[in-house]
Amino acid sequence: DAGVIQSPRHEVTEMGQEVTLRCKPISGHDYLFWYRQTMMRGLELLIYFNNNVPIDDSGMPEDRFSAKMPNASFSTLKIQPSEPRDSAVYFCASSFYRDSQPQHFGDGTRLSIL
Amino acid sequence: GQQVMQIPQYQHVQEGEDFTTYCNSSTTLSNIQWYKQRPGGHPVFLIQLVKSGEVKKQKRLTFQFGEAKKNSSLHITATQTTDVGTYFCAGPKNTGFQKLVFGTGTRLLVSP
Repeated sequence: DAGVIQSPRHEVTEMGQEVTLRCKPISGHDYLFWYRQTMMRGLELLIYFNNNVPIDDSGMPEDRFSAKMPNASFSTLKIQPSEPRDSAVYFCASSFYRDSQPQHFGDGTRLSIL
Repeated sequence: GQQVMQIPQYQHVQEGEDFTTYCNSSTTLSNIQWYKQRPGGHPVFLIQLVKSGEVKKQKRLTFQFGEAKKNSSLHITATQTTDVGTYFCAGPKNTGFQKLVFGTGTRLLVSP
């Protein structure tokens, strides 16, 4: 079975550019999560969706960040405009709907903003 | 806010030595999960503990959940180079069971 698929795997862009990260969750999973990982702050939850509806976006750092889930098989995380401090690894994860089911992570997108 | 801390932050062992990482939550947890992240990789689910005092084993790995359900530990017997990585514990957020709070992680390095 295919796991969580993220694209691109690596992204290098200049400050001020728009960045779009993509995620395809595991088929049948009801929850989708976006995380950011840095050495300084560890693994942070940015936002999560249940049945395509955003439930909690309290981890989104600024209005420059936005996330959508137009259908059950696709989600995007957008940064506009990007800044060097946004450089990090961004993970998407998905899980079934039940109390605290394990989360399945994608390979991540390594984002570098110059 | 709810915090999950792990100690040590980093440990370097010789292959064959044992290793233990400890996880402490500021609040009582309904359950705790453990994940492993290899260098350059993504977190991978290892196990979930639910009951107070629960102990589970996976080959050389032993996981414990504290009696008060506020702490947990992962012990690896006779480490191997394949055990290299960062080990995270994670507990559900008080306000949303699907929302996990990840611990700070323990990075394990194993020398042959």
